[in-house]
Amino acid sequence: SAVISQKPSRDICQRGTSLTIQCQVDSQVTMMFWYRQQPGQSLTLIATANQGSEATYESGFVIDKFPISRPNLTFSTLTVSNMSPEDSSIYLCSVVGQGRMNTEAFFGQGTRLTVV
Amino acid sequence: GENVEQHPSTLSVQEGDSAVIKCTYSDSASNYFPWYKQELGKGPQLIIDIRSNVGEKKDQRIAVTLNKTAKHFSLHITETQPEDSAVYFCAASRGNAGKSTFGDGTTLTVKP
Repeated sequence: SAVISQKPSRDICQRGTSLTIQCQVDSQVTMMFWYRQQPGQSLTLIATANQGSEATYESGFVIDKFPISRPNLTFSTLTVSNMSPEDSSIYLCSVVGQGRMNTEAFFGQGTRLTVV
Repeated sequence: GENVEQHPSTLSVQEGDSAVIKCTYSDSASNYFPWYKQELGKGPQLIIDIRSNVGEKKDQRIAVTLNKTAKHFSLHITETQPEDSAVYFCAASRGNAGKSTFGDGTTLTVKP
């Protein structure tokens, strides 16, 4: 299994500012994934982060708003830039690893962001 | 792209009863269908999954069925317990477990 640590676990930020979320994994992984979960809603994939190359963004998400770094095989950051109240969500980091079900996705506990 | 619909959005059962959650998907190329349980303040955790070459899979009290022709799959929980209370998400992907499209979730409440 993979153990994922996210920091911070929660934050309250002023609109117009930026927040960087860190994701640390206890094993080396090729791809890391960032999801957004809006209040009471489902998870939506933001981007896939590969070490040594630019992140691949899903439709509706752009690098200027959600820049991602992937400096090594165990760490990634997601920045939420120029925040507005609509960015209030839980942001989740995910990796794929070997678990009880064979290959499966593991998620961090999430970062709960509130923009005021 | 893929679209996953999940029903019901809320489900309340008595302890010991069975619970069934259903999902449909749109992309015929999807071949991996996981189910996640999310407890308050935590990230989703995989509870069972099924691949398109299998019609049914069971793990103790939990089972999943897949109908590829109709593009729907279901989660069955038997002998429910209060600790089964959580939000359950279905998802679909084209083989990469990390790149999934999620359903909207079902809030399951098991009354003691």
